[in-house]
Amino acid sequence: SQTIHQWPATLVQPVGSPLSLECTVEGTSNPNLYWYRQAAGRGLQLLFYSIGIGQISSEVPQNLSASRPQDRQFILSSKKLLLSDSGFYLCAWEPGQQETQYFGPGTRLLVL
Amino acid sequence: QKEVEQNSGPLSVPEGAIASLNCTYSDRGSQSFFWYRQYSGKSPELIMFIYSNGDKEDGRFTAQLNKASQYVSLLIRDSQPSDSATYLCAVIGDSNYQLIWGAGTKLIIKP
Repeated sequence: SQTIHQWPATLVQPVGSPLSLECTVEGTSNPNLYWYRQAAGRGLQLLFYSIGIGQISSEVPQNLSASRPQDRQFILSSKKLLLSDSGFYLCAWEPGQQETQYFGPGTRLLVL
Repeated sequence: QKEVEQNSGPLSVPEGAIASLNCTYSDRGSQSFFWYRQYSGKSPELIMFIYSNGDKEDGRFTAQLNKASQYVSLLIRDSQPSDSATYLCAVIGDSNYQLIWGAGTKLIIKP
């Protein structure tokens, strides 16, 4: 069966510090991968998605970037965090287009 | 801009009653529709998906799709306190095949 991991689970970072969040998927190959952000009490905002190694599409221009160095690894990064980057970051995978997305446990980020 | 609308709630339902959650969407060409449940502080988990007009039942859950009226609903029969959560509606648009998410409806089941 497939599983998706995210770490760290929680993170408190000062404004201006760098960020690296990691997501890995097990038990499948060539998944589509997604990064979402959810602000408190809000819906999901799609940040990035990837259909393959090195292939990243950005939905929202901001100070975040994503990379997919391996088939089942998706990384979200920032060089300098802003207060507005606080939120719940969710990684999701799907086996193919127009199919169901399955979410990892999420990373809760607080920027102070 | 393609949108998915949900009443934010909270929707309060007594235990054992039927909870009815609604979602409307703007893209008439949408083909796939999903309901996710999200407990506080947790990630969303899939409850059901529906592709065709009509009803789809899975245990205590029934998804209803009406493409002509552009709405999809989720019925929860015999509601339990453990059903208390935020329910997210998501729709795959016709143009770019990305999921478009509603903001969610908070459901509270009162014992």
